[in-house]
Amino acid sequence: GGIITQTPKFLIGQEGQKLTLKCQQNFNHDTMYWYRQDSGKGLRLIYYSITENDLQKGDLSEGYDASREKKSSFSLTVTSAQKNEMAVFLCASRDRGHSDYTFGSGTRLLVI
Amino acid sequence: DAKTTQPDSMESTEGETVHLPCSHATISGNEYIYWYRQVPLQGPEYVTHGLQQNTTNSMAFLAIASDRKSSTLILPHVSLRDAAVYHCILRAIASSSFSKLVFGQGTSLSVVP
Repeated sequence: GGIITQTPKFLIGQEGQKLTLKCQQNFNHDTMYWYRQDSGKGLRLIYYSITENDLQKGDLSEGYDASREKKSSFSLTVTSAQKNEMAVFLCASRDRGHSDYTFGSGTRLLVI
Repeated sequence: DAKTTQPDSMESTEGETVHLPCSHATISGNEYIYWYRQVPLQGPEYVTHGLQQNTTNSMAFLAIASDRKSSTLILPHVSLRDAAVYHCILRAIASSSFSKLVFGQGTSLSVVP
């Protein structure tokens, strides 16, 4: 079976730092997503991509950049980390026409 | 904003059948009802989905009201491993491959021995 891998699992950054999160899937899925999850809240969509080199902004794209250079990978960059920021970033992928999504285990970010 | 309403938390005992309710009064005709569950330090895991008819799989039974304004996820004979946050989500039927999930807070299900 396939797998979706997020790296790193934990990330500690400093205020103002540029931080990059990576996501890799071997399902050969077309669409990939980045969601942010804050404690006690639901997931919010940051960016998504429907194919290689495609990028679409979600509801929470300000302060983030994304890159989809290959079909199998989708990276997210926090352009300037905010002090005391703490959240989980979840990557997901989905095949064209298939119903369900597969999520990675998440990257836990803490900014000090 | 999430278009679904769920209780914040529920508690059950091992072996019981659990009914997790979800209200979606403003659901559109082209929206599926999805359920995901999430345990700590993991991403959400797909449970089931439905459009109009009740559905069943190895994990759960999804009962959808005839007016589609509410649904109930039924977990038979829960075990400790079923303790998780259960998310009820609406997703529009899309002709393209893009489809966005809008998550709310979900229901935190705890299971005691």
